[in-house]
Amino acid sequence: NAGVTQTPKFHILKTGQSMTLQCAQDMNHGYMSWYRQDPGMGLRLIHYSVGEGTTAKGEVPDGYNVSRLKKQNFLLGLESAAPSQTSVYFCASSSNYEQYFGPGTRLTVT
Amino acid sequence: GQSLEQPSEVTAVEGAIVQINCTYQTSGFYGLSWYQQHDGGAPTFLSYNALDGLEETGRFSSFLSRSDSYGYLLLQELQMKDSASYFCAVGTGGFKTIFGAGTRLFVKA
Repeated sequence: NAGVTQTPKFHILKTGQSMTLQCAQDMNHGYMSWYRQDPGMGLRLIHYSVGEGTTAKGEVPDGYNVSRLKKQNFLLGLESAAPSQTSVYFCASSSNYEQYFGPGTRLTVT
Repeated sequence: GQSLEQPSEVTAVEGAIVQINCTYQTSGFYGLSWYQQHDGGAPTFLSYNALDGLEETGRFSSFLSRSDSYGYLLLQELQMKDSASYFCAVGTGGFKTIFGAGTRLFVKA
């Protein structure tokens, strides 16, 4: 039982490039979320999903898109990366109030 | 807007008791959660309060007062491994969760 996994662990992007962060969970959870965490700040919700095929905007959705084609996967896309998107990205899944977090993806945009 | 306020840092001695407070102002409220995060690690769930009162889980307890929009996390018998950041989080409805900025706890020998 791997829990929540994220790929890649680290990545460096150039401004204007695009990429997709991947998240997978094997707990059959219905709810999945993407957060970003910046130094000295808490986790800010980017987008979330309450089920396969449904997504919704969180606190800071601009510059990101998401897709949830399968229940176990939640993808986060950066369309045209900007230095302000340098951050640690966490994916989380849950079936109720308790969220399980992945190990994070450390993304640097130069 | 929505906000959660918690102290940025707390320092305590090994073996002592420490309380981390959280006040919130959100458009909806569906429970207060607490998470622990060690440096370089992922947040892990500690506790949850949906109703007023105290919830106890081993050395950790969490309290909620909905009328005061206030809660706290109480850590007893502090150990060095408790040095970490602690986040309060509020479920605001539609399965959205808003996190506080976190409290960094330093445990000294």
